[in-house]
Amino acid sequence: DAKTTQPTSMDCAEGRAANLPCNHSTISGNEYVYWYRQIHSQGPQYIIHGLKNNETNEMASLIITEDRKSSTLILPHATLRDTAVYYCIVTRSGTSYGKLTFGQGTILTVHP
Amino acid sequence: DAGVIQSPRHEVTEMGQEVTLRCKPISGHNSLFWYRQTMMRGLELLIYFNNNVPIDDSGMPEDRFSAKMPNASFSTLKIQPSEPRDSAVYFCASREQVNNSPLHFGNGTRLTVT
Repeated sequence: DAKTTQPTSMDCAEGRAANLPCNHSTISGNEYVYWYRQIHSQGPQYIIHGLKNNETNEMASLIITEDRKSSTLILPHATLRDTAVYYCIVTRSGTSYGKLTFGQGTILTVHP
Repeated sequence: DAGVIQSPRHEVTEMGQEVTLRCKPISGHNSLFWYRQTMMRGLELLIYFNNNVPIDDSGMPEDRFSAKMPNASFSTLKIQPSEPRDSAVYFCASREQVNNSPLHFGNGTRLTVT
């Protein structure tokens, strides 16, 4: 699986958009970008994933650059409950998916 | 849906004792994963099962660790004998065995070995 690079920490004001970047310059053509987050004392929670098109769901939007070497997770209106560690993971799809390699992630702090 | 259920939520034991962690995956999910999280090493995959069969146990640290899945609704992770360095949060996760189906994690078992 391709390696990812994320900032160690970020801050965001409540109500504003949180934009979390991720670099994955060695991504292969059959690898997807997944985002998970982990709120304190809980297990990781799936947010969104994509291959090359931008994706949106009820939680967030995922913007993948045309060359697929980087992506941005967007939380459109951050709340205090969005304070968590956010993990960007690149992995192949398929039924063997699940061998996720979690890096250190980005600690997002949403403040009032 | 109750989600992935793990028990106990917290476990404190003395070095040398046997520890058994339990997991009930989401009904209908046929892949199950055991992860361990520590400050030093982050989240690490220990082992995963497809259709109750262990597929990859390369992450299991030592022979002291063993995992079983006797049926589709139950799995155990056993440590015998336990050591202080086994102290960590152990997560169980499950998913449907279809392309891009996301992992659903339990809330973990915090193990402390003194």
